[in-house]
Amino acid sequence: GAGVSQTPSNKVTEKGKYVELRCDPISGHTALYWYRQSLGQGPEFLIYFQGTGAADDSGLPNDRFFAVRPEGSVSTLKIQRTERGDSAVYLCASSLAGQNTEAFFGQGTRLTVV
Amino acid sequence: GENVEQHPSTLSVQEGDSAVIKCTYSDSASNYFPWYKQELGKGPQLIIDIRSNVGEKKDQRIAVTLNKTAKHFSLHITETQPEDSAVYFCAAQTQGGSEKLVFGKGTKLTVNP
Repeated sequence: GAGVSQTPSNKVTEKGKYVELRCDPISGHTALYWYRQSLGQGPEFLIYFQGTGAADDSGLPNDRFFAVRPEGSVSTLKIQRTERGDSAVYLCASSLAGQNTEAFFGQGTRLTVV
Repeated sequence: GENVEQHPSTLSVQEGDSAVIKCTYSDSASNYFPWYKQELGKGPQLIIDIRSNVGEKKDQRIAVTLNKTAKHFSLHITETQPEDSAVYFCAAQTQGGSEKLVFGKGTKLTVNP
């Protein structure tokens, strides 16, 4: 596609449930990032993939959060036992190579945990 | 780790005036500094970026300046238009394996017609 695509655009889930958020990066982009954005804040880094491997997962808040990118393109962010504090917009970005190259963001998935 | 401070948090200008947003960063090893514009309900959109080997970059009404010694960089928008109204974020890219972007907290720009 022409840009980074994220699905779903909105997700409402009950506390304690499991959710998966999907990101389709720009074709050919080897670097993929997940960020989380709370209301009135800048995006906060979660995890960075270079190809299929997670090069940096230092931003994942705890072991309820996990992300995969098995074939080096589509990525899935998985959240177990969701909590109300997980409510935020989850943003995905991709770039051609990572360092010093432009990162393009998707429109985000708004997750609401009730 | 890297820390980015952004000021002001809100900025209101009259159409046609200039707007300036300033950011400082803490990690002297950072060498890539993008600016993003985010409209309500949308993802951040890259509007301009600068790499540490230059001090200024301009694209039509938008310019960015970088002072590596002082570790600060600024976004300048001239001849502002109502459609420039949005939240603007600065960011700094860390080095050494991660290439993650560290963002400021954003500036809500309002351009009044």
